[in-house]
Amino acid sequence: QTVVTQEPSFSVSPGGTVTLTCGLRSGSVSATYYPSWYQQTPGQAPRTIIYSTSTRSAGVPDRFSGSILGNKAALTITGAQADDESDYYCVLYMGNGIWVFGGGTKLTVL
Amino acid sequence: QLQLQESGPGLVKPSETLSLTCTVSGGSISSSSYFWGWIRQPPGKGLEWIGSIYHSGTTYYNPSLKSRVTISVDTSKNHFSLRLSSVTAADTAVYFCVEGFADYMGNYYYYYMDVWGKGTTVTVSS
Repeated sequence: QTVVTQEPSFSVSPGGTVTLTCGLRSGSVSATYYPSWYQQTPGQAPRTIIYSTSTRSAGVPDRFSGSILGNKAALTITGAQADDESDYYCVLYMGNGIWVFGGGTKLTVL
Repeated sequence: QLQLQESGPGLVKPSETLSLTCTVSGGSISSSSYFWGWIRQPPGKGLEWIGSIYHSGTTYYNPSLKSRVTISVDTSKNHFSLRLSSVTAADTAVYFCVEGFADYMGNYYYYYMDVWGKGTTVTVSS
């Protein structure tokens, strides 16, 4: 069974920079997994932020960026704002039409 | 602008079949560049991919749900559907439908889930 790992929680100060990661319990994440990132606030549907590793979705501020760092996909928020406080989920394409979500990271801005 | 809207019963009895529909507006469900899927989120938990259907009609399902899931498309109504059989309380969740893109843009191939419906809550209880 494929397990996608994310930090359960993270905290960042307003104006600060934070990097959330998305890994595999067994193996390394690369661009061939087409990593995507989604932002979700309570009671709302997820919103697409980053797709195919590093492409920002329409309307997403450029303080959000995606990359591969080492053996993980990464979402970096530069100059965090209060309304960035959300849950962030990554998803990886495992091949053969199969997608696997990470457990999500709860980001606190304080 | 593409929009998706889930619909279906909010309450399903244990052992019965959950049936949801996702109506697509602002675009055609028949486009070959897109795929359509379902994702769910149990109360207080994370997202779980249920399955997807592609323009070719090919379906892919989460291995953990595969024996109970069917996803289908009705192009005449521009909607797609989810059926999950033999439900239990563990199937209680918010169910989201999603549009995905799988095609080249320029020189690069992109593959991602993009537009989400607002979600519908399904409770399994007698």
